[in-house]
Amino acid sequence: KQEVTQIPAALSVPEGENLVLNCSFTDSAIYNLQWFRQDPGKGLTSLLLIQSSQREQTSGRLNASLDKSSGRSTLYIAASQPGDSATYLCAGGGGGSNYKLTFGKGTLLTVNP
Amino acid sequence: DTGVSQNPRHKITKRGQNVTFRCDPISEHNRLYWYRQTLGQGPEFLTYFQNEAQLEKSRLLSDRFSAERPKGSFSTLEIQRTEQGDSAMYLCASSLAVGTTNEKLFFGSGTQLSVL
Repeated sequence: KQEVTQIPAALSVPEGENLVLNCSFTDSAIYNLQWFRQDPGKGLTSLLLIQSSQREQTSGRLNASLDKSSGRSTLYIAASQPGDSATYLCAGGGGGSNYKLTFGKGTLLTVNP
Repeated sequence: DTGVSQNPRHKITKRGQNVTFRCDPISEHNRLYWYRQTLGQGPEFLTYFQNEAQLEKSRLLSDRFSAERPKGSFSTLEIQRTEQGDSAMYLCASSLAVGTTNEKLFFGSGTQLSVL
């Protein structure tokens, strides 16, 4: 059974700082890994999707990496802004007909102006 | 692309009542998922559909829960005889799966259920 852990549970940084959010998973047979953003009381917004054959994905100020051998993924946010404040969730996906995501509990990020 | 739409946004009900939620996925997406999220936790998988076929159900989905996706379009999630433990955010998501390759999941804003 896949288990996903996110560290830290909460993070507070000043505006402009670069930061890294960590995600670890127990089953290396992961098919893909997705990072999501969730604002309070809202649904999830997909940020980046890394297929198992890939090592990283980039979108704007965001970069996500995937290391299946160590069971880890990181989300790097460059030049953080107050608008980045949200909960960031990572989720590991199974493959084929078993596709479903197993989520971590998230990291609550606060970027202070 | 109008995104994934869920209705209602909020539902307050008394214990023992039945409730039904609706999800309208992105039109060209063939997979539809239901997840449940409680405060401080990540979403937990409940069930998913490939077109109109329900392919997998979590053990979290007791006999009081039923989901349908008639004609492979919108989906409904019904909870019968609600219990206070059913209080949660119910999230719907959709994706386009081509063969065994899965693209990003797109989530709706959720239905927040409160059982009094």
